[in-house]
Amino acid sequence: QVMLVESGGAVVQPGGSVRLSCAASGFAFGRYGMHWVRQAPGKGLEWVAVMSSDGRHIYYGDSLKGRFTISRDNSQNALFLQMHSLRPEDTAVYYCARDYHANSGLSASGFGIWGQGTLVAVSP
Amino acid sequence: SYVLTQPSSVSVAPGQTARITCGGDIIGSKSVHWYQQKPGQAPVLVVYDDTDRPSGIPERFSGSNSGNTATLTISWVEAGDEADYYCHVWDNRSRHYVFGTGTKVTVL
Repeated sequence: QVMLVESGGAVVQPGGSVRLSCAASGFAFGRYGMHWVRQAPGKGLEWVAVMSSDGRHIYYGDSLKGRFTISRDNSQNALFLQMHSLRPEDTAVYYCARDYHANSGLSASGFGIWGQGTLVAVSP
Repeated sequence: SYVLTQPSSVSVAPGQTARITCGGDIIGSKSVHWYQQKPGQAPVLVVYDDTDRPSGIPERFSGSNSGNTATLTISWVEAGDEADYYCHVWDNRSRHYVFGTGTKVTVL
């Protein structure tokens, strides 16, 4: 069964750090680009970051300003998001998502598989 | 940065057709994808590459894309189609993935 499972969500104070993990199963993880997408409470979807299947292409959404780092370990079928200098506006459910099509570089593909999400709440 | 604009809400009676638009500058030159999100759940891809459906998505969901507008059409709407819908593209110029503002579909 194709599955993505996020973990690591927490309640943190402003300025704090959190590391999210996404465990993949049921497919050839190393063949797909992977993304983080977030959704603030009651708001729409916001793309956060992408890492291509080979790890050579990495891009971030404009609002992150160098505070977040995406990484992956293809040998462990895992995706990560390290978040620093967290702000209240970073409060959101964070989803990991997989490209619909396998691709070695960046892809214009839709996101075919999503995890259930993990909540990060930034509050004093 | 590239912007995708959707109507905030669409209301439709059961059995009728819902059309959700997604406006963007020359969006017809891009591949557009659509997601359905029900409360408390993760998004689900319902249309990709403008017109294609993943396996398991009913034929009632269809897409089109031309000029400055992409459209998701839901035919023979059912109560279970009530959800938020988002369009999505890859903007090669900015190297960003962009989501639309989202449309809440209400089945009357």
